Amino acid sequence: SYVLTQPPSVSVAPGQTARITCGGNNIGSKSVHWYQQKPGQAPVLVVYDDSDRPSGIPERFSGSNSGNTATLTISRVEAGDEADYYCQVWDSSSDHYVFGTGTKVTVL
Amino acid sequence: QVQLVQSGAEVKKPGASVKVSCKASGYTFTSYGISWVRQAPGQGLEWMGWISAYNGNTNYAQKLQGRVTMTTDTSTSTAYMELRSLRSDDTAVYYCARVMGYCSSTSCVNWFDPWGQGTLVTVSS
Repeated sequence: SYVLTQPPSVSVAPGQTARITCGGNNIGSKSVHWYQQKPGQAPVLVVYDDSDRPSGIPERFSGSNSGNTATLTISRVEAGDEADYYCQVWDSSSDHYVFGTGTKVTVL
Repeated sequence: QVQLVQSGAEVKKPGASVKVSCKASGYTFTSYGISWVRQAPGQGLEWMGWISAYNGNTNYAQKLQGRVTMTTDTSTSTAYMELRSLRSDDTAVYYCARVMGYCSSTSCVNWFDPWGQGTLVTVSS
């Protein structure tokens, strides 16, 4: 089955840029979606279809996808961005949705 | 506004079954599918399956085949997920989510938005 690998943790100072990677075999050929999950809450969609943002999501959140790595970038990080982030794709070979392993973003 | 409201927490014994509901509002229920995702304590997200609210077609995760059934009641805009033969490792928060996306001539692209608030299912003797 298709595997998506994320770094377990990313630390960033307020006002700096956080980059969260999602690695998968030829992931650039797939559409990648990103979710933010704060403690005790349900996940929230922050980027879909590689780089589109749902209404209400700040422009500070952006996405890119090429080759074997997709990236979620959070610019001008704020304390409220501290959360777990998950990538997600559709694996056509198994006909299943797949989530990444998750990355905990800590704001220093 | 679009909202998914799930049923309350459940405590079950090993071997029992649980049925979680997910009531949709704010959109045309039959125009979208519903996916179910679970999260064990301290763990990541695990996709369980998908149901079309239009025609009831389903697609279940391989590891849950034979133990899970997803259904919908279009008269009440409610989706249901039943999990049987519960084990301790089924203890998790169970989420429903609306499936959004589009299809081209060759493939479909789908994401989940919004999500329900989650239902904690605890399996313990």
